[in-house]
Amino acid sequence: EPEVTQTPSHQVTQMGQEVILRCVPISNHLYFYWYRQILGQKVEFLVSFYNNEISEKSEIFDDQFSVERPDGSNFTLKIRSTKLEDSAMYFCASGKLASYEQYFGPGTRLTVT
Amino acid sequence: AQTVTQSQPEMSVQEAETVTLSCTYDTSENNYYLFWYKQPPSRQMILVIRQEAYKQQNATENRFSVNFQKAAKSFSLKISDSQLGDTAMYFCAFMKPITSGTYKYIFGTGTRLKVLA
Repeated sequence: EPEVTQTPSHQVTQMGQEVILRCVPISNHLYFYWYRQILGQKVEFLVSFYNNEISEKSEIFDDQFSVERPDGSNFTLKIRSTKLEDSAMYFCASGKLASYEQYFGPGTRLTVT
Repeated sequence: AQTVTQSQPEMSVQEAETVTLSCTYDTSENNYYLFWYKQPPSRQMILVIRQEAYKQQNATENRFSVNFQKAAKSFSLKISDSQLGDTAMYFCAFMKPITSGTYKYIFGTGTRLKVLA
């Protein structure tokens, strides 16, 4: 059964560094999402992406964040200059046309030191 | 704005017993979807059960069932014959359409369930 994959599973970075989190959505899906979960808190929507552009973003998704689909398979989340409070689990999700269903990846745990 | 409330931060249940996790939500939308996700210590998000708001019949998936009360905006999860492997964090989630056929989840704060041997 196809699934969403994310790499790396755990990323440690120093404050101020740029980090790129990678996701490979399910191949025939057209909608892509990033969610974030700070340890001990709820999962929060960051951004949705469709047709090569952002369709909606939350207040959390400020200028430090960007998303890209650089080729036909990857979907990336870049944080330009990481802060301590960016430490969280980041989940990618994808969905297919004419369906509300989203499929989560296993997550990337980002630790900013 | 839509909100999802899970009023039970922690619960425990004896193995083989039944437990109900509560969830309420607030929305003015008519077209939406509701979900329960399980998050074990690995922190992976595992879909337990889903309910389309337009369906009156409560969803069931093996030992998991929901009590969906649309007028009361309530969506509780019942776990029957609890197993040790059910120990996890459980998140209730509301999903609504946003733009261009995309949807977004709004999650509750979670209920930590511990199944006791």
